[in-house]
Amino acid sequence: GDSVTQMEGPVTLSEEAFLTINCTYTATGYPSLFWYVQYPGEGLQLLLKATKADDKGSNKGFEATYRKETTSFHLEKGSVQVSDSAVYFCALSDQAGTALIFGKGTTLSVSS
Amino acid sequence: EPEVTQTPSHQVTQMGQEVILRCVPISNHLYFYWYRQILGQKVEFLVSFYNNEISEKSEIFDDQFSVERPDGSNFTLKIRSTKLEDSAMYFCASSGWGTDNSPLHFGNGTRLTVT
Repeated sequence: GDSVTQMEGPVTLSEEAFLTINCTYTATGYPSLFWYVQYPGEGLQLLLKATKADDKGSNKGFEATYRKETTSFHLEKGSVQVSDSAVYFCALSDQAGTALIFGKGTTLSVSS
Repeated sequence: EPEVTQTPSHQVTQMGQEVILRCVPISNHLYFYWYRQILGQKVEFLVSFYNNEISEKSEIFDDQFSVERPDGSNFTLKIRSTKLEDSAMYFCASSGWGTDNSPLHFGNGTRLTVT
């Protein structure tokens, strides 16, 4: 079945460092891809999404490009801030388009 | 900004007891969901609900689970006879349209502990 694999965390960075969180997927068809973020004590929030191959989703300085040839959707940010500390989830929509399949989540901790 | 609210934030119950987790989705949303996350594992889809019926459910959502929208504002998840392995964080979500067309808005979750 469809699945999402994320790099294991935690990821610990200093402020202004470059961030990459790897995400690869297995799916039949052409799913939409998502990154969700969960700040401490809060629910998951949509960070960005891409609905077809080569689309780039971006928001708040984060970017991810839908790469069909490598089945990847890696999350990047050029300069992280302490406020980016959170858990990041990669996800894809299932074939019916009514459910999301999530990865395990990657915890990012940014120190000043 | 409207948000999805879940109550309680933490529920402790004994094995074999029934629990009801409550959610108030965003008022003009049409699709409702329950997900769960066992500690250290993936966020797993349980069920989606549209037009007063289940539209999709996962293998996890067996006969012990049921969902209801009793009054047009609440959306509940019932576990009939809890097991130790039901201990997890349960997230409710809602969206205006299907997953591809509008983002899911999640609540802060209910942590269920079965002893």
